[in-house]
Amino acid sequence: ILNVEQSPQSLHVQEGDSTNFTCSFPSSNFYALHWYRWETAKSPEALFVMTLNGDEKKKGRISATLNTKEGYSYLYIKGSQPEDSATYLCAPPNTGNQFYFGTGTSLTVIP
Amino acid sequence: NAGVTQTPKFQVLKTGQSMTLQCAQDMNHEYMSWYRQDPGMGLRLIHYSVGAGITDQGEVPNGYNVSRSTTEDFPLRLLSAAPSQTSVYFCASRQGWLNTEAFFGQGTRLTVV
Repeated sequence: ILNVEQSPQSLHVQEGDSTNFTCSFPSSNFYALHWYRWETAKSPEALFVMTLNGDEKKKGRISATLNTKEGYSYLYIKGSQPEDSATYLCAPPNTGNQFYFGTGTSLTVIP
Repeated sequence: NAGVTQTPKFQVLKTGQSMTLQCAQDMNHEYMSWYRQDPGMGLRLIHYSVGAGITDQGEVPNGYNVSRSTTEDFPLRLLSAAPSQTSVYFCASRQGWLNTEAFFGQGTRLTVV
């Protein structure tokens, strides 16, 4: 079982603020890093799949970076909106085809 | 385009009863997994499959069985329900290896009384 840590556990920001959170994972035997967005009462949906050290991905106001050597990824949200309120999960799959998720960062954007 | 379909959406069981949670996908994905969601614990992997006829245990497999007789279906069986199995269960599938995104079903909320 991979030790995946996400921080902070929860976050409250004002509408319009930018924010970021962290996913830490073991840097050895890295294969890929997934980010998912999970709204309350819905199913998780994929945001990014990242595979290369130094990778940067962007989708609208959300972007992510990856550092495989030190074992972390950052997720950034620029100009947070209430519809960004969700739990953001990361998952670094291991060699056994197993997907272990972190406990997530719960983001609440206050209008 | 149905994606991943889970049934039922809600279920109440009595302790000791057995039941099967159904999961079907129509995307011809090789990989399928079952997770449970508990407060403060995120998503924990129960069982997974890398293809028809091949299954393996995740981190919390006790009390659950799976089988994969077809590519499309991956049912999760609770053998003798316990209150500790009260949770929301998610099924997920993905096409290829580790760099392909997972698609999730809408979840099954199970209560064991």
